[in-house]
Amino acid sequence: AQSVTQLDSQVPVFEEAPVELRCNYSSSVSVYLFWYVQYPNQGLQLLLKYLSGSTLVESINGFEAEFNKSQTSFHLRKPSVHISDTAEYFCAVTGQNFVFGPGTRLSVLP
Amino acid sequence: SQTIHQWPATLVQPVGSPLSLECTVEGTSNPNLYWYRQAAGRGLQLLFYSVGIGQISSEVPQNLSASRPQDRQFILSSKKLLLSDSGFYLCAWSPTGASSGNTIYFGEGSWLTVV
Repeated sequence: AQSVTQLDSQVPVFEEAPVELRCNYSSSVSVYLFWYVQYPNQGLQLLLKYLSGSTLVESINGFEAEFNKSQTSFHLRKPSVHISDTAEYFCAVTGQNFVFGPGTRLSVLP
Repeated sequence: SQTIHQWPATLVQPVGSPLSLECTVEGTSNPNLYWYRQAAGRGLQLLFYSVGIGQISSEVPQNLSASRPQDRQFILSSKKLLLSDSGFYLCAWSPTGASSGNTIYFGEGSWLTVV
């Protein structure tokens, strides 16, 4: 069985500050890892994913995540956030099944 | 490129009335299809998934049902809605084949309010 933990349900941060959204997983098989973003009243959009190769993956809007197998983590980071980054962020893993974390609400404050 | 659409976007239905939410995927064949529900302020709950026409797996026993009459069409239904059925319903698809990592792509979502 697989599981995903997002320890922070809410993360408030000021504009232009750095942010890290934490994601840890457990699995008995090899996994693929994903981050999705959900803006208010919209569906989920794929932000970035790790399938293989370089453990550091980047999105087009400045987010990055690093796969750390020894720590079973896939934390999402951005060095400087914008108001428009305010959204819900979901970490997900797939191996045997596709499993989503509970989500982290990022609120960027002016 | 592939696209996914679901409708209606918003729905207000009385308790005990039927429900039909539709979802179609374009630009791919034989996709895996999913229905998720997201209650207000909560995470995602997988309701149904399908690996082919007429093949439906239910993850949560409830008064909802799903059907896949065509390869790229997925329908969520109920004969009699309950208040607890209110929520945000998301259709999603993923390509078959291991190279994709089973990446899931979501539709725009449908808001259902049962009154």
